[in-house]
Amino acid sequence: AQSVTQLGSHVSVSEGALVLLRCNYSSSVPPYLFWYVQYPNQGLQLLLKYTTGATLVKGINGFEAEFKKSETSFHLTKPSAHMSDAAEYFCAVIRGGEKLTFGTGTRLTIIP
Amino acid sequence: DARVTQTPRDKVTEMGQEVTMRCQPILGHNTVFWYRQTMMQGLELLAYFRNRAPLDDSGMPKDRFSAEMPDATLATLKIQPSEPRDSAVYFCAPAVPRDGNTIYFGEGSWLTVV
Repeated sequence: AQSVTQLGSHVSVSEGALVLLRCNYSSSVPPYLFWYVQYPNQGLQLLLKYTTGATLVKGINGFEAEFKKSETSFHLTKPSAHMSDAAEYFCAVIRGGEKLTFGTGTRLTIIP
Repeated sequence: DARVTQTPRDKVTEMGQEVTMRCQPILGHNTVFWYRQTMMQGLELLAYFRNRAPLDDSGMPKDRFSAEMPDATLATLKIQPSEPRDSAVYFCAPAVPRDGNTIYFGEGSWLTVV
């Protein structure tokens, strides 16, 4: 079985501050891990993914995530938040197979 | 995402009516997923196809929902009869083989059943 836990359904940060969105997964085999972003009234857009290789993955819009096997985590970070980062963020996992399993999402609010 | 076109973009229909949503992945995206998103349930996998054959539709209410992929560039999701609880956003999401089968989402079909 596989599951994804996103800690914090709502996160607020000040503009210019560090963004940290947490994601933990459960999997008995190495997973493929993804972060998607959803802006209001839009579909999900792929931010970044980890499959194999380097554990620090860089994505679009200045985001990055690090796969930590020992902690079963794949937290999303951005050094300096921008107003345009306000959106909902979803962590997702594939363990073998093909089906994505999503976390419940984290709504990010940026405080001016 | 330009890899897939979904229609209709928005649909308001009355309870009991048939609703058909269409997904047109670009040629070569052989695996296509249907997801549903609601406030209460989040993102749920309804069904998916590979090479036009259904692989898993366990997430789909069988009594009213049906999914088909009549050709490589068309997938459909039909609800008959529709109910208010079907109100949701329905996403088609093809997997891109040359990108490690990464799944990319369409803009969604926003369905409201009144």
